[in-house]
Amino acid sequence: ILNVEQSPQSLHVQEGDSTNFTCSFPSSNFYALHWYRWETAKSPEALFVMTLNGDEKKKGRISATLNTKEGYSYLYIKGSQPEDSATYLCAFWHPRGSSNTGKLIFGQGTTLQVKP
Amino acid sequence: KAGVTQTPRYLIKTRGQQVTLSCSPISGHRSVSWYQQTPGQGLQFLFEYFSETQRNKGNFPGRFSGRQFSNSRSEMNVSTLELGDSALYLCASSLERQADTQYFGPGTRLTVL
Repeated sequence: ILNVEQSPQSLHVQEGDSTNFTCSFPSSNFYALHWYRWETAKSPEALFVMTLNGDEKKKGRISATLNTKEGYSYLYIKGSQPEDSATYLCAFWHPRGSSNTGKLIFGQGTTLQVKP
Repeated sequence: KAGVTQTPRYLIKTRGQQVTLSCSPISGHRSVSWYQQTPGQGLQFLFEYFSETQRNKGNFPGRFSGRQFSNSRSEMNVSTLELGDSALYLCASSLERQADTQYFGPGTRLTVL
C-alpha cells in the first residue's frame, strides 16, 4: 500500500516565525510531487509541482525542496503571516505503466495556524 | 480565464438515493479528476477522465461512476447512497495528465441522511 506521510499534523506559530513541514513518499518509481495550500472555505491551490531530485522551488516567502532518493520533500515558510494559515497538502504521483496513467496520492496534510 | 466550476455546491440526500454531480473544467484542460474528502481519510482519488475515457480509478466501489463529455465537462454519479458517502467532492482539471498541476473547483458538499 502506497503511503504519503506528512508531519507535523498541525502547527501553531507566532507571526514572523519561520516554519517547515515534511512530506515523505515512496522513493521508488518517482515521477512528481505536488504541494497545495488549502484555506478554509476555499479550494486547494497549487503551490509547486516538483519532478527532479534536488529541485528547489520558491514562491514569495514559501519554498520547497525535493529528495527523491530518500523520499522526502520539505516546505518552508519564511516569516509566517496570519494569511499563511491553511492546510498544506503534498501529493505523490504514482505512475502505473506510462506517464499518463497512475494516480495522485495525497498526504493527510499539515494544518498551520499563525497567530498575530 | 474562468476557473473550475462545480454544481450543485450543496446537496442533501437520503440513504438509497442516487446523486449526480457536475464539473466544468478550465477551458483547454482535457484531464478531469474527482476526489472525495472526509475528515478521517483526507483527499482520496476517485477517478480521472481524459478524452471521454476513464483513464485511472481509485479504490472505490462500483456505486461510484463518472463520465466525460466531448467538451471535457464531467459528471460523477453515486448510486444507492450510504451514510458514509457524506463528504466534500472535489473536481480538478489539468492540461493533459493528473501528474500536471491540478486546478480545483469549489467542491460539492454531499450530506446523506
